[in-house]
Amino acid sequence: SQTIHQWPATLVQPVGSPLSLECTVEGTSNPNLYWYRQAAGRGLQLLFYSVGIGQISSEVPQNLSASRPQDRQFILSSKKLLLSDSGFYLCAWSVRSSGRTYEQYFGPGTRLTVT
Amino acid sequence: AQSVTQLDSHVSVSEGTPVLLRCNYSSSYSPSLFWYVQHPNKGLQLLLKYTSAATLVKGINGFEAEFKKSETSFHLTKPSAHMSDAAEYFCVVSDRAGGTSYGKLTFGQGTILTVHP
Repeated sequence: SQTIHQWPATLVQPVGSPLSLECTVEGTSNPNLYWYRQAAGRGLQLLFYSVGIGQISSEVPQNLSASRPQDRQFILSSKKLLLSDSGFYLCAWSVRSSGRTYEQYFGPGTRLTVT
Repeated sequence: AQSVTQLDSHVSVSEGTPVLLRCNYSSSYSPSLFWYVQHPNKGLQLLLKYTSAATLVKGINGFEAEFKKSETSFHLTKPSAHMSDAAEYFCVVSDRAGGTSYGKLTFGQGTILTVHP
């Protein structure tokens, strides 16, 4: 069966500090990978998605970036955090297939508080 | 363009009574539709999905949803609420994947379900 991991579970960082959140998927190959942010009262916002190693698409301009160094690893980064970066970050994966949309499966999330 | 509207931001029921969470969607294509549940500080869990097969879809934990094209609705129901059902629920619509191998999901704003003893 497939499993998706995220770490850390919680993080408190000062404004201006760097960020690195990691997501890994087990039990599947060539998945699509996604990063979402969930801010209080604002629903889910898609930040990045990836259909393959080194292939990153950004949905929303911001001071965050994403990388996919391995097939089942997805990293969310920032060089300098802003207060507005606080939120609950969710990684998700889906089967990769053209012509059809598959459901996404979510990780447990990382709660980021920027102080 | 696609969109989804969850008609209630909060729903409160008593344990053992039926649950109805309402969702209307808009899509240019025959959509795929999903319901997810999120407990506090947890990730989203897929409850059920509709992908153009049977219009009445059964999911986990006794939930089901009916796809009604004429009403552009995909309401979530459960005959008898349990305390453990208290959570936030998201209705989600997707577009076709096409040649990009990616179908974007559009999330509703969520409905918080409260279950009273």
